Amino acid sequence: AQSVTQLDSQVPVFEEAPVELRCNYSSSVSVYLFWYVQYPNQGLQLLLKYLSGSTLVKGINGFEAEFNKSQTSFHLRKPSVHISDTAEYFCAVSEYNYGQNFVFGPGTRLSVLP
Amino acid sequence: DGGITQSPKYLFRKEGQNVTLSCEQNLNHDAMYWYRQDPGQGLRLIYYSQIVNDFQKGDIAEGYSVSREKKESFPLTVTSAQKNPTAFYLCASTFGQHGHGYTFGSGTRLTVV
Repeated sequence: AQSVTQLDSQVPVFEEAPVELRCNYSSSVSVYLFWYVQYPNQGLQLLLKYLSGSTLVKGINGFEAEFNKSQTSFHLRKPSVHISDTAEYFCAVSEYNYGQNFVFGPGTRLSVLP
Repeated sequence: DGGITQSPKYLFRKEGQNVTLSCEQNLNHDAMYWYRQDPGQGLRLIYYSQIVNDFQKGDIAEGYSVSREKKESFPLTVTSAQKNPTAFYLCASTFGQHGHGYTFGSGTRLTVV
């Protein structure tokens, strides 16, 4: 069965600093990988996804993520964060052979400080 | 524009009452999902439906019921059997093919008073 780990439940960072949010997964088959962002009292919005091909994926709002198959990781990065990036970030995995059902990680709360 | 509409945004329920949360999508998506979100616990799957007139229990289905009579609609009923229903409820949908991400609604916050 697939599972997703987000090692950091909270990440505080100063404005304009770089940030990395970590995501590791376990699965016995090939997977699709996703990052979502959730602002307070809102639904989740897709940031980016990895399906195949280049392991470096660029998304919205200046975020990017790199798929590392050997380390089963899909870490999210941004070189310079803004106050408006303060939100909850969720990593999700979907197995090729399991249909559409996702498994979500527990989330990482990014707090950008002035 | 296409999307998912959840209503109402805020809902208050007295103990012992059933309440129904609405979820409607006009994206022509095949599959629809209901998640519950509690602080610090991420998203937990309640029910999902991959086709009309068929649905499956998720990880925390007890105290909830759903129907899928139309492709566009997937209402969730929180019954009096749900002991701790206060939470944020999210509806999502996707196409049936692999690799499509979920599209989420804006959520319904349910509070038991």
